[in-house]
Amino acid sequence: AQSVTQLGSHVSVSEGALVLLRCNYSSSVPPYLFWYVQYPNQGLQLLLKYTTGATLVKGINGFEAEFKKSETSFHLTKPSAHMSDAAEYFCAVSDPYSGGGADGLTFGKGTHLIIQP
Amino acid sequence: DTGVSQNPRHKITKRGQNVTFRCDPISEHNRLYWYRQTLGQGPEFLTYFQNEAQLEKSRLLSDRFSAERPKGSFSTLEIQRTEQGDSAMYLCASSPSKGQGNSPLHFGNGTRLTVT
Repeated sequence: AQSVTQLGSHVSVSEGALVLLRCNYSSSVPPYLFWYVQYPNQGLQLLLKYTTGATLVKGINGFEAEFKKSETSFHLTKPSAHMSDAAEYFCAVSDPYSGGGADGLTFGKGTHLIIQP
Repeated sequence: DTGVSQNPRHKITKRGQNVTFRCDPISEHNRLYWYRQTLGQGPEFLTYFQNEAQLEKSRLLSDRFSAERPKGSFSTLEIQRTEQGDSAMYLCASSPSKGQGNSPLHFGNGTRLTVT
């Protein structure tokens, strides 16, 4: 079984400030980890993913995340927030050995990122 | 790659009516997923197909829900005798059949269902 906890349903930062969105996971096997972004009335778009190898992963739009096994975390960061970053962000975990289905991808409840001018 | 397409984008229906949604996945993707997303929640798995075979269904998928993927191409999700609790965004996603790790899901823009 696997689960994802995103701390903070809403995060507000000023334009130009550091963005930090927290994600902790629970998994019985070494997981694959993902961050997705969702703009209003749209589907989810992949920001970045961690599978194996380098624990610091760079994604689109200047975002990056670091897999920390000891902390079971995969926090998302961006050095300088832009107004266009305002959206809902979802962390997700998958079982690499899964054949798909319910164990294929489990999402957190999401964090709404607000950018203040 | 034209992406995952879902129709309609919005559907308003009265309680008790039947509704059907369509999803056209990325053409070379073997796997197709349906998720449901309610306000303030992440997407919840409903069901998925490997080609035309429906391999798994969530317990969230009551008997009023049925999904098909004839010929392993597009998929339809039908809800019979809709209830107000069915109001949600229904998301379709597709991926190649190599599994989640190297093949993240590609999502459509969803169909937002409102049951009045």
